[in-house]
Amino acid sequence: NAGVTQTPKFQVLKTGQSMTLQCAQDMNHEYMSWYRQDPGMGLRLIHYSVGAGITDQGEVPNGYNVSRSTTEDFPLRLLSAAPSQTSVYFCASSQDPSPPNTQYFGPGTRLTVL
Amino acid sequence: AQTVTQSQPEMSVQEAETVTLSCTYDTSENNYYLFWYKQPPSRQMILVIRQEAYKQQNATENRFSVNFQKAAKSFSLKISDSQLGDTAMYFCAFMNIGGTYKYIFGTGTRLKVLA
Repeated sequence: NAGVTQTPKFQVLKTGQSMTLQCAQDMNHEYMSWYRQDPGMGLRLIHYSVGAGITDQGEVPNGYNVSRSTTEDFPLRLLSAAPSQTSVYFCASSQDPSPPNTQYFGPGTRLTVL
Repeated sequence: AQTVTQSQPEMSVQEAETVTLSCTYDTSENNYYLFWYKQPPSRQMILVIRQEAYKQQNATENRFSVNFQKAAKSFSLKISDSQLGDTAMYFCAFMNIGGTYKYIFGTGTRLKVLA
């Protein structure tokens, strides 16, 4: 198993550009989520999904879109990048939304918006 | 809304000594889980330990244990016999069971283990 994979590892964008951060898992997990990590802020939930075709908003959803057309993939789209979206982004997955299922994290994508 | 507070931005401990990281949370729910995650310099998030709120017994995983005080809404992590590999950011997190499946994280404590 590759676990949770994220691409790219690093990305630099200009203000106003759009892009998609990719997240995939090969563990047949139902629950997937996106977080952003900023200094002094911890991890904040952007969007999450409890299964294919089902998504919902987290704490900080503005400026981001998600879709879940397959169990394996959960891409995060930045519609019009802003400097405030400079952050490290983590994707995570677990078998089921409810604990005690362990949440597995990807290695992260460091995004800089100029 | 639920909140998680970690009041110690940075801590250090001598190798082989014991250190306790603090976490408090606020919720009106009665049924939830609490977690401690470790993030070493590699940035990979790793689950250290979890506690079910309805269990009074404190969770233990090898050198890691928690002191769960439900009435005080406190969830501290004790690391015994600290090792250099314990150097990392530690995040406390909360999830309400049967709710919206949202994990809420604290702001983290940076722990440095000194040789």
